Amino acid sequence: DTEVTQTPKHLVMGMTNKKSLKCEQHMGHRAMYWYKQKAKKPPELMFVYSYEKLSINESVPSRFSPECPNSSLLNLHLHALQPEDSALYLCASSQESSAGWTGELFFGEGSRLTVL
Amino acid sequence: AQSVAQPEDQVNVAEGNPLTVKCTYSVSGNPYLFWYVQYPNRGLQFLLKYITGDNLVKGSYGFEAEFNKSQTSFHLKKPSALVSDSALYFCAVRDMPRGNNRLAFGKGNQVVVIP
Repeated sequence: DTEVTQTPKHLVMGMTNKKSLKCEQHMGHRAMYWYKQKAKKPPELMFVYSYEKLSINESVPSRFSPECPNSSLLNLHLHALQPEDSALYLCASSQESSAGWTGELFFGEGSRLTVL
Repeated sequence: AQSVAQPEDQVNVAEGNPLTVKCTYSVSGNPYLFWYVQYPNRGLQFLLKYITGDNLVKGSYGFEAEFNKSQTSFHLKKPSALVSDSALYFCAVRDMPRGNNRLAFGKGNQVVVIP
């Protein structure tokens, strides 16, 4: 069972809607990630938070807005999306330590987004 | 930039036969290499990693991978495949020149284990 929980599992929204995806982990990890994945393709990194600060933004359009309210929670706010934004959105977390990043990511099961 | 290549799109194997999923890498410096698996309608799951040490790395669900520096390969193997191993497998490398917390994923291999 995954220790990274994502809600909702499925979301259908119109292009004018505002919605949010939520992610929660209780493993004490201090790095959290949003990935976008199209069917049968590798995940594409969108954002990384490290110690609750945004450390990586992979030039993601502003219609996607991440938020990290605390070390256990990660949100992705969605507004004015396009049909091509339809995809599986994966949240992940990883440890950060003085020894550095180990590269082991713990993924949630994803939120499948359909934009009409 | 660091990258990995997975040359095959799909690997078909009969249940009980050995399974190999190929991955080659291109990095500057020492590679940090990973294998992840994605079962249908699930997120990715970490299988194993190579950072340093023994070239043969053992991971979850009976999988192992062999790091071969001369061939720049990191192939995933399982001695006897199960139907439940049917999934999408991704090789990945730590994308160090672009900073921490980045993995560069290969395109993925669909593994189909035939009963």
